Amino acid sequence: AQSVSQHNHHVILSEAASLELGCNYSYGGTVNLFWYVQYPGQHLQLLLKYFSGDPLVKGIKGFEAEFIKSKFSFNLRKPSVQWSDTAEYFCAVHTGGYQKVTFGIGTKLQVIP
Amino acid sequence: EAQVTQNPRYLITVTGKKLTVTCSQNMNHEYMSWYRQDPGLGLRQIYYSMNVEVTDKGDVPEGYKVSRKEKRNFPLILESPSPNQTSLYFCASSPTGSNEQFFGPGTRLTVL
Repeated sequence: AQSVSQHNHHVILSEAASLELGCNYSYGGTVNLFWYVQYPGQHLQLLLKYFSGDPLVKGIKGFEAEFIKSKFSFNLRKPSVQWSDTAEYFCAVHTGGYQKVTFGIGTKLQVIP
Repeated sequence: EAQVTQNPRYLITVTGKKLTVTCSQNMNHEYMSWYRQDPGLGLRQIYYSMNVEVTDKGDVPEGYKVSRKEKRNFPLILESPSPNQTSLYFCASSPTGSNEQFFGPGTRLTVL
């Protein structure tokens, strides 16, 4: 069975700091990769996704992620975080005909003004 | 407005009392799925459905049932709830070929 690892469970940054959240998955076949964000008290929303093509994908609100196939990684980045980025971030992998979904346990990001 | 709705949003019940959490989407999506979210465990897939009358188990299906009689609805049934099913439940849908999931607002369930 596939698994998704998010290494940083709780990250605290000051505004304007750069962000990188790690995501690694274990699955040898073709995958679709996603990052979702959950703001406090809200449901999950899509940040960005990778299906194929350019391994560097850009999402909403200045986020980007890079798919490195050899490392089974899909790390999320943002050059300069804002207080409004305080949220929980989930990496997700679709496999098995793309209907089975595995989420990482999430990373809580707290941005200090 | 395109959306996924869940009812109820909050529910407190007792062990063994059957309950149903409804999920409905108005986007004509083929794929629907249920997740539970627990602290330190993230989201875990309970069941998913690729279309009407087609359902399959996710990672944590024990204690849950689903049905997909209509495209827009995907109810989650707990025949005999237990305290370890206390959790935050999310329903999601996506169109075939996209895999981008649209999530409902969540249902917070407490089983005493």
